[in-house]
Amino acid sequence: GDSVTQMEGPVTLSEEAFLTINCTYTATGYPSLFWYVQYPGEGLQLLLKATKADDKGSNKGFEATYRKETTSFHLEKGSVQVSDSAVYFCALGGSNFGNEKLTFGTGTRLTIIP
Amino acid sequence: DAGVTQSPTHLIKTRGQQVTLRCSPKSGHDTVSWYQQALGQGPQFIFQYYEEEERQRGNFPDRFSGHQFPNYSSELNVNALLLGDSALYLCASSRESGYTFGSGTRLTVV
Repeated sequence: GDSVTQMEGPVTLSEEAFLTINCTYTATGYPSLFWYVQYPGEGLQLLLKATKADDKGSNKGFEATYRKETTSFHLEKGSVQVSDSAVYFCALGGSNFGNEKLTFGTGTRLTIIP
Repeated sequence: DAGVTQSPTHLIKTRGQQVTLRCSPKSGHDTVSWYQQALGQGPQFIFQYYEEEERQRGNFPDRFSGHQFPNYSSELNVNALLLGDSALYLCASSRESGYTFGSGTRLTVV
């Protein structure tokens, strides 16, 4: 079945450092890929998405590129801020997103130190 | 525009009891999905409701059941609670453009 393998955490970085959180997936067909963020005490917020190979999703300085050849969707940000501290989840879904279930990774807790 | 509303936010139940969690979807959304998020884990898909019918189901036992009402709101019922059912239960509503998640209900089984 479908699965998502995510970089183990926790990750601690200094403010303005470069961030990479690795994500690889296993799926049949052509899934859509997502990054969600969860702040303490809150639900999940969609950070970015990509629906086909070589698509780049971006939002709030974060980027991720859908790499079909390596089945990866790594999350990057050039300069992190304290406000980026949260748990990040990589997920995959069907092409008909909104109508198909999401399969999540285990999450990576990110802490940014001033 | 209100997003997804879940109630209650927290509750504590005793092993063997039954619990009902509620979800009101975002305006304009007609599909409701439920996820279980154990501590330190990613959310796991329980089931999805559309047009008052269960459309998809994840790998959860029959103790987990649900319902969707004509106004698209939904309930998640769990019978014969186990300690392992302690988790954050997330509701997500959608149409075709993607999901909106609620803040969840934190269930503790003692």
